[in-house]
Amino acid sequence: AQSVTQLGSHVSVSEGALVLLRCNYSSSVPPYLFWYVQYPNQGLQLLLKYTTGATLVKGINGFEAEFKKSETSFHLTKPSAHMSDAAEYFCAVSEKGDDKIIFGKGTRLHILP
Amino acid sequence: DVKVTQSSRYLVKRTGEKVFLECVQDMDHENMFWYRQDPGLGLRLIYFSYDVKMKEKGDIPEGYSVSREKKERFSLILESTSTNQTSMYLCASRAPGEGYGYTFGSGTRLTVV
Repeated sequence: AQSVTQLGSHVSVSEGALVLLRCNYSSSVPPYLFWYVQYPNQGLQLLLKYTTGATLVKGINGFEAEFKKSETSFHLTKPSAHMSDAAEYFCAVSEKGDDKIIFGKGTRLHILP
Repeated sequence: DVKVTQSSRYLVKRTGEKVFLECVQDMDHENMFWYRQDPGLGLRLIYFSYDVKMKEKGDIPEGYSVSREKKERFSLILESTSTNQTSMYLCASRAPGEGYGYTFGSGTRLTVV
């Protein structure tokens, strides 16, 4: 069965510092992987996804993530945090042929001035 | 862009009332989903539908039902609300095929008093 673990329910970084949000997954087959962002009182918005091909995936707002099969990880990074990045981030996994996406519990990112 | 519209942003209902949450998507997607989101629990799947008049239970269907009479509309029904159904409800749709993510609505924050 698929599952997603996000390490740290809250992460704080200083403005301008590196953002690293960790995600590990379990899946019996190579999965599709997603990162979503949720701003207060809004729905979730797709940041980026990995399906096949290049393991380093670039998304919106300067975020990127790297699929590491050997580590079953899909960590999200951004070189320099901005105040507008404060939000909740969800890692998600879907197996090929499955219509459903399984979400992690989310990591709330706080940006310190 | 695909648009998923949820009929209400905020609702306040009394215990025992019947509630309809409406969700409409405009891109002819077969798959539609209802989740609830609670702090610390992430997103939990209530029901999903992969075609008109078709529905499948998700992880937490108790106390909920759904209706999909038309492809673009997927309704979540709370027959008799209880305070433990106070939550954020998110609707999503997904295109069929490999590797597509969800498109979410803005959410409905339901408070049952």
